[in-house]
Amino acid sequence: QVQLVQSGAEVKKPGASVRVSCKASGYTFSSYGMHWVRQAPGQRLEWMGWINTGNGDTEYSQKFQGRVTITRDTSARTAYMELSSLKSEDTAVYYCARDHFPIVLMVSANWFDPWGQGTLVTVSA
Amino acid sequence: EIVLTQSPGTLSLSPGERATLSCRASQSVSSGNLAWYQQKPGQAPRLLIYGASSRATGIPDRFSGSGSGTDFTLTISRVEPEDFVVYYCQQYGSSPRTFGQGTKVEIK
Repeated sequence: QVQLVQSGAEVKKPGASVRVSCKASGYTFSSYGMHWVRQAPGQRLEWMGWINTGNGDTEYSQKFQGRVTITRDTSARTAYMELSSLKSEDTAVYYCARDHFPIVLMVSANWFDPWGQGTLVTVSA
Repeated sequence: EIVLTQSPGTLSLSPGERATLSCRASQSVSSGNLAWYQQKPGQAPRLLIYGASSRATGIPDRFSGSGSGTDFTLTISRVEPEDFVVYYCQQYGSSPRTFGQGTKVEIK
């Protein structure tokens, strides 16, 4: 079955960077876009950006532009999200989530299904 | 950016009662590109509804979605014990994709 498995929890100091991975199985990895969403304690879900896993094109939320980089390794069937210049406010659970429609259909309006299990990133001095 | 506002913040019900959750958008959501997700404590969100009213695979028929434009509703016809968790709406028709702040359904 389709499954997304994320890397483990991270603890980082302010100013550092963190990279979270998301390994896909059960489908053709490069056929579906991958999104990253975060959830800070007590806050709503927040979309960070996505990657076209076929050609590597990315789109980022204005809020994170310049601090977030989403990449992929098709041979490893893995997507990555790197967030730099970490602040305490970046403490959150970070999720990867797959587009519903395959890239080839060129449907821009995609809901997210499935999601990874989440990775807790704690930023603390 | 489309801002989604969910109401109420918390809904207190007894098992077997009907739950009505609202999601209001700051501007029209194109083509009904709205989804509902359920999130249990410590778990990732799970897709319930897409396209405003279509149930995802494996979702019980007690869950239904309706609405268009700026007003959307998630209805649980008879709330089961496992339904007492948090629900989020999301619009995916325009970028950035945005989520509501969530509605918690709690046991009365």
